[in-house]
Amino acid sequence: DTAVSQTPKYLVTQMGNDKSIKCEQNLGHDTMYWYKQDSKKFLKIMFSYNNKELIINETVPNRFSPKSPDKAHLNLHINSLELGDSAVYFCASSPPQGAWETQYFGPGTRLLVL
Amino acid sequence: AQSVSQHNHHVILSEAASLELGCNYSYGGTVNLFWYVQYPGQHLQLLLKYFSGDPLVKGIKGFEAEFIKSKFSFNLRKPSVQWSDTAEYFCAVNAARGTDKLIFGTGTRLQVFP
Repeated sequence: DTAVSQTPKYLVTQMGNDKSIKCEQNLGHDTMYWYKQDSKKFLKIMFSYNNKELIINETVPNRFSPKSPDKAHLNLHINSLELGDSAVYFCASSPPQGAWETQYFGPGTRLLVL
Repeated sequence: AQSVSQHNHHVILSEAASLELGCNYSYGGTVNLFWYVQYPGQHLQLLLKYFSGDPLVKGIKGFEAEFIKSKFSFNLRKPSVQWSDTAEYFCAVNAARGTDKLIFGTGTRLQVFP
């Protein structure tokens, strides 16, 4: 009974390709997030959605486009992949009650761009 | 803008040693504070959090942290570490009255040797 799941776990691709990462949560949460963890383990938020609506959009290149078909899913599509996109991407979700709520993280998708 | 500093990048301890990991944040308003842990090959999970009340908070696995408002600090402690505590530890903060955007520190890698 995985709470936050991501597919795929590993993704190796060539520069210039387009790829998607999927995220699903079965916790009934309204809010979902995408984070990027670089090679130095630094975690930075990219996007957050609340009930399918974009709430946070950090200064992320517009090659990255999140899509939320319903509140249990938040997918990340990346166009024209670049070497610098290599990282671990984490999806997370939280209840909507407030900023004090715990965020529950998925297992991560390790993306390697060659 | 909010930021979080974790001054210890890599800590090496023997089992039964005491642990204190530093976390300082910069933000003028009321904050919520979190410590997340990432065990090798696993996703991030919450250790403990502070949002109001007693500034000494207890978390899972014997960890605790103390919020000292005057020092803008939220240091993590454990009196006696175990080999299984080997992991990456992340301090995070968000504005209590803002969005739930979490700002993470750069993480502290803890290695515990038997």
